[in-house]
Amino acid sequence: DIQMTQSPSALPASVGDRVTITCRASQSISTYLNWFQQKPGKAPKFLIFGAFNLQSGVPSRFSGSGSGTDFTLTISSLQPEDFATYYCQQSSSIPYTFGQGTKLEI
Amino acid sequence: QVQLQESGPGLVKPSGTLSLTCAVSGGSISSSYWWTWVRQPPGKGLEWIGEVYHIGTTNYNPSLKSRVTISVDKSRNQFSLSLTSVTAADTAVYYCARNSQTIVGVPSDWGQGTRVTVSS
Repeated sequence: DIQMTQSPSALPASVGDRVTITCRASQSISTYLNWFQQKPGKAPKFLIFGAFNLQSGVPSRFSGSGSGTDFTLTISSLQPEDFATYYCQQSSSIPYTFGQGTKLEI
Repeated sequence: QVQLQESGPGLVKPSGTLSLTCAVSGGSISSSYWWTWVRQPPGKGLEWIGEVYHIGTTNYNPSLKSRVTISVDKSRNQFSLSLTSVTAADTAVYYCARNSQTIVGVPSDWGQGTRVTVSS
């Protein structure tokens, strides 16, 4: 299985901050990397696919980059609704695996 | 806009079988999509369980493969998850999802989730 490791596990931040979350794969996954946002008690929401492509309706303050084994999710200016847990997921090979999550905290 | 709704027992006894269904509305389960189950233990991250294509082809997580079955019921426009020989480690919120039609392996539309507890 491909292991996905996110850092940090928790990230204190404030409204207006620029934040970056890192995701590392245990082997190369090209750009088969996706990002999800999850708020407490809710299902995950699909944000980014193919490392850097925004899903329809996702605000442009979200961006993704990377290829191979190292990837980042950046939020350019945090809004109150962005405080949530973020997960990366590889869709290069089965089983499709998720990172352990990064919680954005006030 | 497709909607998915999980249903099933919220409590299952150890060594029993967990059975969940996902009702699909606003779309046909017979259309060309993969349909996925993902679970999330309390306070933990997401685990991919497996997926089924509308014609019945399946892919499973090897860690669960000996215990899991995912199937499609076209007559009821739903798909199902069966997990046998459950233990407390199977306690989780279980989500069903429809994958993106164009991006392999990505659950793009999710149900709200259903909590299942394994306990005697």
